[in-house]
Amino acid sequence: AQKITQTQPGMFVQEKEAVTLDCTYDTSDQSYGLFWYKQPSSGEMIFLIYQGSYDEQNATEGRYSLNFQKARKSANLVISASQLGDSAMYFCAKGDYGGSQGNLIFGKGTKLSVKP
Amino acid sequence: KAGVTQTPRYLIKTRGQQVTLSCSPISGHRSVSWYQQTPGQGLQFLFEYFSETQRNKGNFPGRFSGRQFSNSRSEMNVSTLELGDSALYLCASSLDRGPGSTEAFFGQGTRLTVV
Repeated sequence: AQKITQTQPGMFVQEKEAVTLDCTYDTSDQSYGLFWYKQPSSGEMIFLIYQGSYDEQNATEGRYSLNFQKARKSANLVISASQLGDSAMYFCAKGDYGGSQGNLIFGKGTKLSVKP
Repeated sequence: KAGVTQTPRYLIKTRGQQVTLSCSPISGHRSVSWYQQTPGQGLQFLFEYFSETQRNKGNFPGRFSGRQFSNSRSEMNVSTLELGDSALYLCASSLDRGPGSTEAFFGQGTRLTVV
């Protein structure tokens, strides 16, 4: 069975520092996509970044970057220069290659708290 | 550009009743997916619709059903509600399924409480 594992239930980071949220996945698929979402207390899921299994370069979107290590089956999210507004739940998910958001398998999430 | 709209935002129902939740995707998006989020099970995929056809279905009992209309709006229905159906139900809207289509937007969800 496919599985996404996020081993950090909660993390604290000081404002303006960088933080890495861990994600490992288990799949026998050759083609897949990995996603990170942010869920503030309001409940809405906000798409942050996508990495395709065939993409050779690590994805970056502003302050977010994805450290993709295919052989280790890990897709860690790095947030640089943390801001107070980054405090939220963060979910790693696996889906289809190409970025379709249907049929995603989610991890349990990591609660990030940014301290002033 | 309007986002994904889910209605209602909050709902309280009694065990045994049925409920219908609605999702209006972003204009032009043809794929709609539904997810259930609970503290115990986390986020679980319910089903995905594309051009009025169910394309994928998660591992949920038949009490959970859905449909998509020609304007891409989608509804999901839960019949014979159980206490365990209390959850945040999220709808996701996608442009299309295929390489390069990385647009993905979720609605704010409908929080269903079954008493």
